[in-house]
Amino acid sequence: NAGVMQNPRHLVRRRGQEARLRCSPMKGHSHVYWYRQLPEEGLKFMVYLQKENIIDESGMPKERFSAEFPKEGPSILRIQQVVRGDSAAYFCASSQGLSNDPKAFFGQGTRLTVV
Amino acid sequence: DQQVKQNSPSLSVQEGRISILNCDYTNSMFDYFLWYKKYPAEGPTFLISISSIKDKNEDGRFTVFLNKSAKHLSLHIVPSQPGDSAVYFCAASPDNAGNNRKLIWGLGTSLAVNP
Repeated sequence: NAGVMQNPRHLVRRRGQEARLRCSPMKGHSHVYWYRQLPEEGLKFMVYLQKENIIDESGMPKERFSAEFPKEGPSILRIQQVVRGDSAAYFCASSQGLSNDPKAFFGQGTRLTVV
Repeated sequence: DQQVKQNSPSLSVQEGRISILNCDYTNSMFDYFLWYKKYPAEGPTFLISISSIKDKNEDGRFTVFLNKSAKHLSLHIVPSQPGDSAVYFCAASPDNAGNNRKLIWGLGTSLAVNP
């Protein structure tokens, strides 16, 4: 049973390009969370998705950022027109979304560097 | 507004002694608490959790204590080992009367266990 898979592990983009980060949740998990960790800071919640639905996007920047979790395939975090301030580690986590067990499992992260 | 606070950004402990990591929260709706450990360049890994119906949960060298009246929880590691050196995150989950659980995170405490 593979864990949460994120790819790529490292991504370098020039300013103005688009960045696409992929997350495949653990088998049987239908809830996905995206977090961002800026240098010298803690984990910051970005978005919470279930299959085909965005449940909570209160942590997403209003512009340039979007996320989806289609019926088939991985969850995608898309950052358009990247800027240097987007450089960070982006972590995805998945859970079964059970009320009595909200435990989430994390992927290894994607380190985005904007040059 | 930080609902989950880890007021000590770092902690240094001698090998074999006890490590105590603290976490305070403000939202009385939180009813499930988790500790995660994070090594550099890796995603956080689940360590131990506690439900608000308990005041203590133990797993090997790790024990989590919950004081609901003080809105405070702590993670005890005894005896501490050099391999425990990592950043420890406290997370809390509110009871939303449904399956849409979201984890609210502290900023982390960096633990260094010295040989």
